Amino acid sequence: GAVVSQHPSRVICKSGTSVKIECRSLDFQATTMFWYRQFPKQSLMLMATSNEGSKATYEQGVEKDKFLINHASLTLSTLTVTSAHPEDSSFYICSAPDILYGYTFGSGTRLTVV
Amino acid sequence: DAKTTQPPSMDCAEGRAANLPCNHSTISGNEYVYWYRQIHSQGPQYIIHGLKNNETNEMASLIITEDRKSSTLILPHATLRDTAVYYCIVRVALGTGGSARQLTFGSGTQLTVLP
Repeated sequence: GAVVSQHPSRVICKSGTSVKIECRSLDFQATTMFWYRQFPKQSLMLMATSNEGSKATYEQGVEKDKFLINHASLTLSTLTVTSAHPEDSSFYICSAPDILYGYTFGSGTRLTVV
Repeated sequence: DAKTTQPPSMDCAEGRAANLPCNHSTISGNEYVYWYRQIHSQGPQYIIHGLKNNETNEMASLIITEDRKSSTLILPHATLRDTAVYYCIVRVALGTGGSARQLTFGSGTQLTVLP
């Protein structure tokens, strides 16, 4: 089946620094990647949608200059949290749809900003 | 996408069948019922999906009522590793016109399998 590899699985960073999260589709081409954020005891909330070769679209209330998304190839999409603050601490998950395999999710990245 | 309603939590004894209900009374004719689960601190995992016929795979069975307004996910012999949040999602199948849209997650059902 389809696999989306997400790294790192957990990261702790200092306030004001930037963190990059990578999602790679291993055996299929991901023309679209969805990025979700999940706070403790809450459901997944869509942050943005990236499409290969074009600008990402962000959900209302998500700062595009803070959460930079790059989807330069059909197998790699990245989310960079810039100038991270403690309120950005969350669980970030990527998901790629594929007609054959359905929706495949990464294993998630636990970000802690101290 | 049609709205779904699930109980917030359920318990099940290990080795017994876990039956998780989902109401989706506004489902449209071309919308499928998908089930995913999320084990703590992991990404969601696909379980099963169906349109109107009952479906079974190695993980679970999906029973959809004849009017398609509700469904039940059945884990036939629950184990401790089945403890997770289970999400019922209704939407059109991938590839059904236009570009792919995201899965929208509700609150789900926290299933706790008890030893």
